[in-house]
Amino acid sequence: KQEVTQIPAALSVPEGENLVLNCSFTDSAIYNLQWFRQDPGKGLTSLLLIQSSQREQTSGRLNASLDKSSGRSTLYIAASQPGDSATYLCAVNQAGTALIFGKGTTLSVSS
Amino acid sequence: GAVVSQHPSWVICKSGTSVKIECRSLDFQATTMFWYRQFPKQSLMLMATSNEGSKATYEQGVEKDKFLINHASLTLSTLTVTSAHPEDSSFYICSARAHRDRVPEQYFGPGTRLTVT
Repeated sequence: KQEVTQIPAALSVPEGENLVLNCSFTDSAIYNLQWFRQDPGKGLTSLLLIQSSQREQTSGRLNASLDKSSGRSTLYIAASQPGDSATYLCAVNQAGTALIFGKGTTLSVSS
Repeated sequence: GAVVSQHPSWVICKSGTSVKIECRSLDFQATTMFWYRQFPKQSLMLMATSNEGSKATYEQGVEKDKFLINHASLTLSTLTVTSAHPEDSSFYICSARAHRDRVPEQYFGPGTRLTVT
């Protein structure tokens, strides 16, 4: 059964720092991997989707990488801002199942 | 494109009553819809998978008689929480999988906050 783990569970950084969030999954047979952002009490915002054939995807200050064979993905946030404070969720997409989520990393960026 | 709506966005109900949550795919047909539940500071946990025109498949530990799911059309699924109790208070999020995709992707609704008093 697929399991998705995110490390760290929480992270506090000062504004301007670059940071990396980690996601690992146990079964490499995935279609794609997706990173989401969730603000408190709100729904999900899709940030980046990496297909299984891709190694990385970039959107603005965000860069997500995928190493399918080792079951790992990272989300790199450059020059963090207080507005980046949120919970970041990693989810994998497999055949025949719904997206399977990790428990998330709660990020706090202080000004 | 690929917009999913949920209604209501929040609801407060008394213990013992039933509450219905609607999930609609606005600009695509969804043969499969998913219902997730999220408790405070927890991740999303899949409750059930519903396919249009057939019975929903529930995850282990989810009571099918308590959480009634109906997927009557390719654009609408409903979740009814029956005889709600305070422990059912949670954030419920639906997701729809696009019918057209060879590699299926899920699109999420904005969620429904349920508070049972």
